[in-house]
Amino acid sequence: GAGVSQSPSNKVTEKGKDVELRCDPISGHTALYWYRQRLGQGLEFLIYFQGNSAPDKSGLPSDRFSAERTGESVSTLTIQRTQQEDSAVYLCASSSDRWETQYFGPGTRLLVL
Amino acid sequence: AQSVTQLGSHVSVSEGALVLLRCNYSSSVPPYLFWYVQYPNQGLQLLLKYTSAATLVKGINGFEAEFKKSETSFHLTKPSAHMSDAAEYFCAVSDGAGTYKYIFGTGTRLKVLA
Repeated sequence: GAGVSQSPSNKVTEKGKDVELRCDPISGHTALYWYRQRLGQGLEFLIYFQGNSAPDKSGLPSDRFSAERTGESVSTLTIQRTQQEDSAVYLCASSSDRWETQYFGPGTRLLVL
Repeated sequence: AQSVTQLGSHVSVSEGALVLLRCNYSSSVPPYLFWYVQYPNQGLQLLLKYTSAATLVKGINGFEAEFKKSETSFHLTKPSAHMSDAAEYFCAVSDGAGTYKYIFGTGTRLKVLA
């Protein structure tokens, strides 16, 4: 079956612009996660959605970062007023429930000039 | 708090040689442990996971890992490397209590030499 998909695969933007990243989870997966992977570093947890429950936003690095998910469908991660330190690969994952294995998408590589 | 340390950001082995990728963790509770592999331009793929059952865990593509509580380690091994094993490998830990927050190591890039 189809895995997690993300778009765009690459995004180059200018400092100060807003960007929107999209994640399509595996159908039927109630849990969705966003991670950030900076060059040479491990993945950092950003945010977690579980069904219609309030998301866990504890990993968002600043108020410039926000994410939305409608029900158990797609999610968008928005970064406002991008900074050069936001350059990273943004990975999305989904799982059938919170304690089940997380399946990752290919990521969006963001470069802020 | 949980943490993961992967020793060696780059490892090179000859084709046919043993692959050993090291992972040490710290956790205040019995952990769940994972190894993921990331091929170029692809997402992370689960190789194997430990969830407090058998300490020797077998995964896909001939990989296995052994949970050693006394050493707080979860090293990944494969008896004979293949060229297709060249990728980046990530170890991750969760606190085993159904948490969704995985803590990832910084990754080890495996190079396989012909």
